[in-house]
Amino acid sequence: DAKTTQPTSMDCAEGRAANLPCNHSTISGNEYVYWYRQIHSQGPQYIIHGLKNNETNEMASLIITEDRKSSTLILPHATLRDTAVYYCIVRVKDSSYKLIFGSGTRLLVRP
Amino acid sequence: DTEVTQTPKHLVMGMTNKKSLKCEQHMGHRAMYWYKQKAKKPPELMFVYSYEKLSINESVPSRFSPECPNSSLLNLHLHALQPEDSALYLCASSQGPGTGRRDEQFFGPGTRLTVL
Repeated sequence: DAKTTQPTSMDCAEGRAANLPCNHSTISGNEYVYWYRQIHSQGPQYIIHGLKNNETNEMASLIITEDRKSSTLILPHATLRDTAVYYCIVRVKDSSYKLIFGSGTRLLVRP
Repeated sequence: DTEVTQTPKHLVMGMTNKKSLKCEQHMGHRAMYWYKQKAKKPPELMFVYSYEKLSINESVPSRFSPECPNSSLLNLHLHALQPEDSALYLCASSQGPGTGRRDEQFFGPGTRLTVL
């Protein structure tokens, strides 16, 4: 699975959009981008995944660049409960059990 | 029901004790996982069970012994642990690859283990 690079930490104001970047310059054509988050003292939680088109669900939007070498997770109206570590993971969908977590981005949402 | 439950929430044990961690899911998932997470580090995969058979062992020391009694239950038996084994132990489940369905993993809240 391709390696990902994320900023160590970010912060944003409550109610504003949080944009979390991820670089995955060695991504292969059949690898998807997955995002999970881990709120303090809880297990990780799946957020969203995508291959090349932008994706949106009730939690977030995922924007993948045309060359697929980077992506951005967008939380449109961040709340205090969105304070968490966000993990960007690249993997081949539906072919492997392994979910390899990188260091992630620690997002702090400020009141 | 989209929940993975783990018991106990907290466990303190001595190096000579034998204890077990338990995990349960009722989502019909056929893959179940154990992860270990040290403080301020990402989760690391330990074991994977697929259709109740051990599929992956990430070179975990034998003092950790997994067991999958049925498709809904996953245990982790602990014996002769070391203080450096203190960590958060997370259980997860998923449909499993090759099912053609969504394969995201659902995680439990974890068991926080302290080895004295």
